Amino acid sequence: AQSVTQPDIHITVSEGASLELRCNYSYGATPYLFWYVQSPGQGLQLLLKYFSGDTLVQGIKGFEAEFKRSQSSFNLRKPSVHWSDAAEYFCAVVTYSGGYQKVTFGTGTKLQVIP
Amino acid sequence: EAQVTQNPRYLITVTGKKLTVTCSQNMNHEYMSWYRQDPGLGLRQIYYSMNVEVTDKGDVPEGYKVSRKEKRNFPLILESPSPNQTSLYFCASSPGTGKERNTEAFFGQGTRLTVV
Repeated sequence: AQSVTQPDIHITVSEGASLELRCNYSYGATPYLFWYVQSPGQGLQLLLKYFSGDTLVQGIKGFEAEFKRSQSSFNLRKPSVHWSDAAEYFCAVVTYSGGYQKVTFGTGTKLQVIP
Repeated sequence: EAQVTQNPRYLITVTGKKLTVTCSQNMNHEYMSWYRQDPGLGLRQIYYSMNVEVTDKGDVPEGYKVSRKEKRNFPLILESPSPNQTSLYFCASSPGTGKERNTEAFFGQGTRLTVV
């Protein structure tokens, strides 16, 4: 069975500082990997995704993520955080078996940005 | 505009009173699913549907029903709601199959349900 772990429940960073949110997955092969962001009172918005190819992927809002097969990780990064980045971030994996799609989300990391 | 629409956005109900949360998508997606979001637990899949008349249980299906009579609609039914179903619910859709399988899911705005 697949699983996703986001070890940090809550992270606080200063505006302008760099950010890294961790995501580890468990699956027998390389799944499709996603990062979503949820602003307060909103639905989930896709930040970026990885399927194959270049292991460093760029997303919206200045975010990037790096897939590391050896570590089963897909960590999200941003060089300089803005106050508007305060939100909850979810990592997700998608796999296919017998034509059926299976989606698993991590438990989320809540980001607080301080002045 | 491509979107997933859920209704209602907020709902307070009493234990045992049947309710339906509607979900509609205008992207001709084959795959639709329902999630509940609870603090510390992230999003957990309730039910999903690969296409019309094809539905299957997710990770937490107890107490819920779904139907997929049309491609665009995927309602979530709580026949006899209980307080432990108080949660934030999200509907999502994606192409799901074929060459477009590697695109992301689109989410509705969420339905906050309180069962008293």
